[in-house]
Amino acid sequence: AQSVTQLDSHVSVSEGTPVLLRCNYSSSYSPSLFWYVQHPNKGLQLLLKYTSAATLVKGINGFEAEFKKSETSFHLTKPSAHMSDAAEYFCVVIAAPGSARQLTFGSGTQLTVLP
Amino acid sequence: DAGVIQSPRHEVTEMGQEVTLRCKPISGHDYLFWYRQTMMRGLELLIYFNNNVPIDDSGMPEDRFSAKMPNASFSTLKIQPSEPRDSAVYFCASSLNGGSNQPQHFGDGTRLSIL
Repeated sequence: AQSVTQLDSHVSVSEGTPVLLRCNYSSSYSPSLFWYVQHPNKGLQLLLKYTSAATLVKGINGFEAEFKKSETSFHLTKPSAHMSDAAEYFCVVIAAPGSARQLTFGSGTQLTVLP
Repeated sequence: DAGVIQSPRHEVTEMGQEVTLRCKPISGHDYLFWYRQTMMRGLELLIYFNNNVPIDDSGMPEDRFSAKMPNASFSTLKIQPSEPRDSAVYFCASSLNGGSNQPQHFGDGTRLSIL
């Protein structure tokens, strides 16, 4: 069984300040983890992925995430928020090797960026 | 590169009418997924295909829903008859293969409103 918990449903930051979106997972297998972003009226866009290589993963638009097995976490960070980062962010886990079906979405975190 | 293409982007129709949603996956991708997104339930996997063959349709809510993939470049999701509770955003996604390290690439979705 696998699950993913996004600890904050809403996060609000000021433009130019750091962003932290928190994600915890549970899995019976070594997981692959993804962060997706969804802008209004758009589909989900892949930000970054972790697949058992380097634990610090760099993605698009200046985002990065660190896989911490001991904490079962995969938090998303960005040093300086931009207005265009305002969107909903989903943490996703795939835990069963070779199984496309075993993809679990978090409930999402809505990021607001204040001017 | 062309991403996943969905049509129509918006559909408004009356209860009882047949609705057909269309999807063109990324060329070369073996897997195709249909999702539904609502505020109440988040993202739900409805069905997925591998090499045009339906693999798991356990997420299809009821017999009013059907999906086909007649060839590698086209899939449809049909609702007949439609009901107001079917109102949601429907996403199509594709992936290169079913491996746990392969992300899914999403279309921009079809926003469906059943009156």
